Amino acid sequence: AQTVTQSQPEMSVQEAETVTLSCTYDTSENNYYLFWYKQPPSRQMILVIRQEAYKQQNATENRFSVNFQKAAKSFSLKISDSQLGDTAMYFCAFQADNQGGKLIFGQGTELSVKP
Amino acid sequence: EAGVAQSPRYKIIEKRQSVAFWCNPISGHATLYWYQQILGQGPKLLIQFQNNGVVDDSQLPKDRFSAERLKGVDSTLKIQPAKLEDSAVYLCASSFLRQGGTEAFFGQGTRLTVV
Repeated sequence: AQTVTQSQPEMSVQEAETVTLSCTYDTSENNYYLFWYKQPPSRQMILVIRQEAYKQQNATENRFSVNFQKAAKSFSLKISDSQLGDTAMYFCAFQADNQGGKLIFGQGTELSVKP
Repeated sequence: EAGVAQSPRYKIIEKRQSVAFWCNPISGHATLYWYQQILGQGPKLLIQFQNNGVVDDSQLPKDRFSAERLKGVDSTLKIQPAKLEDSAVYLCASSFLRQGGTEAFFGQGTRLTVV
């Protein structure tokens, strides 16, 4: 069985600064994907960034980037130039290639961006 | 394009009552998921449909929960009878393909409170 662990329940950052959210996972699968989702107070999950496990290059999406360490089973999210609109819950999620799109989520990290 | 629609947004019921949630996925999305998100936790998959067939309901408490997806489009999730521990947000998601790496699009969820 796969598990996803986010060890930081809450984090805060000053506007315009950089913050890193941590995520570790456990799996015996070789082919899988990792995601970071953002959940604002509206509750709607929004995809932030996706990483294919077979790619060594870390994914980036504008101000968002990941540090994917496959051997260590670590998948952290870096947010640069933090903005007030980044305030939300952030969930790390695992998806095995052979499980039909099912997502396994971590417990979440509540990020507050302070002006 | 229109997103995943869910209703109602909020529901309060007494224990042992029944309740139903409705989801309309993005047009053309064959795969539909229902997730349960208990306060302070990440979402957990309850059931997954491919068109109108169930492909994974291993974590659905079948003694009280049921779900259907008529004509492979809209879906309803029902709880009967409800227990206090069913208090949670129920998220519906859909994806175009049922394979790894495919982005799941989420609705805003239904917040259920059982008193």
